[in-house]
Amino acid sequence: RKEVEQDPGPFNVPEGATVAFNCTYSNSASQSFFWYRQDCRKEPKLLMSVYSSGNEDGRFTAQLNRASQYISLLIRDSKLSDSATYLCVVSLSGTYKYIFGTGTRLKVLA
Amino acid sequence: GAVVSQHPSWVICKSGTSVKIECRSLDFQATTMFWYRQFPKQSLMLMATSNEGSKATYEQGVEKDKFLINHASLTLSTLTVTSAHPEDSSFYICSARVAQTGLGSPLHFGNGTRLTVT
Repeated sequence: RKEVEQDPGPFNVPEGATVAFNCTYSNSASQSFFWYRQDCRKEPKLLMSVYSSGNEDGRFTAQLNRASQYISLLIRDSKLSDSATYLCVVSLSGTYKYIFGTGTRLKVLA
Repeated sequence: GAVVSQHPSWVICKSGTSVKIECRSLDFQATTMFWYRQFPKQSLMLMATSNEGSKATYEQGVEKDKFLINHASLTLSTLTVTSAHPEDSSFYICSARVAQTGLGSPLHFGNGTRLTVT
């Protein structure tokens, strides 16, 4: 089983739609969680950190469920510019090691 | 803030030559930098962890003599791909976390280097 798993997609959604991605992690010692966005042939860029109480940044909402070991990302009112690969990243407690998911591709269609 | 600059952005070289990639933290100090490789349609794979003033820590399966890492200062780490071969063609990305921040702080990525070995 992979340490961090994501549905690769692609998720094809119309503009304005709401879409949600999940990411599961296997190591219960995982401490910190992040969502990154990666455009084709570009480096990943931090979208948001994920906090235990859940957090929101504009149209983006992240949730953490430690009991079930998954995090989620919700995108409301999708824009064409949201088309990208979304990477789930987990860091392990007591280390500086970061584990990347394989990413979920999102295509927002006009 | 937290800008990481990577150079060059792309490079084409002949088989057997060596290529040096630089990763700089522009507005912060980074005691630890990470080097990743990404093949098309695949996830980032950690190659090594670069520690300022000490030897890098390589992931299993990564040849330390082929991928030389030097982290001579708090703002610069270099990756040298020695005797490059076509199978080394890939997208190489560095990342860093801000020193003096606690565990769990996010990574900041350089813009990546696309290496093509002919």
